[in-house]
Amino acid sequence: GDSVTQMEGPVTLSEEAFLTINCTYTATGYPSLFWYVQYPGEGLQLLLKATKADDKGSNKGFEATYRKETTSFHLEKGSVQVSDSAVYFCALRSNYQLIWGAGTKLIIKP
Amino acid sequence: NAGVMQNPRHLVRRRGQEARLRCSPMKGHSHVYWYRQLPEEGLKFMVYLQKENIIDESGMPKERFSAEFPKEGPSILRIQQVVRGDSAAYFCASSPTAENEKLFFGSGTQLSVL
Repeated sequence: GDSVTQMEGPVTLSEEAFLTINCTYTATGYPSLFWYVQYPGEGLQLLLKATKADDKGSNKGFEATYRKETTSFHLEKGSVQVSDSAVYFCALRSNYQLIWGAGTKLIIKP
Repeated sequence: NAGVMQNPRHLVRRRGQEARLRCSPMKGHSHVYWYRQLPEEGLKFMVYLQKENIIDESGMPKERFSAEFPKEGPSILRIQQVVRGDSAAYFCASSPTAENEKLFFGSGTQLSVL
């Protein structure tokens, strides 16, 4: 069945460092891909999405490109801030269901 | 426009008791999804409901768990005879259409079973 595999956390970085959180998927067809973020004590929020190959989703300085050839949707940010500390979830949409990765906890130290 | 409201935020139950989790979707949303999040794990789909109908309950345990989304009022996730393994965060999400490209999540209910 369809699945999403994410980089294991926690990922600990210093402020202003470059961030990459890896996400790969297996799916039949061409699913839509998503990154959600969960700040401490809150529900998930959609961060960005891409609906077809080579699309780039971006929001709040985060980017991810839908790579069909490598079945990947890695999340990147050029310069992280303490306020980016959260858990990040990669997901794909299969029919009407969202298939989730396990989440990657990101800790940014000042 | 209020977001998705879940209550209670924290629920403590003893083994064998019943837990009732409530979710009020965003105004105008008629599609509700329930997910369970275990510590250090991702979200697991449980059930998808539209008003008065269960569309997909393939992620929900066959016993002790049930869900409803009545014509009036919030969606309810009900867990009977809770066990320690039911301890988790339960999230509700809603969307305006079946094409759930963008889900709006509640803040979750943390269930602790003693």
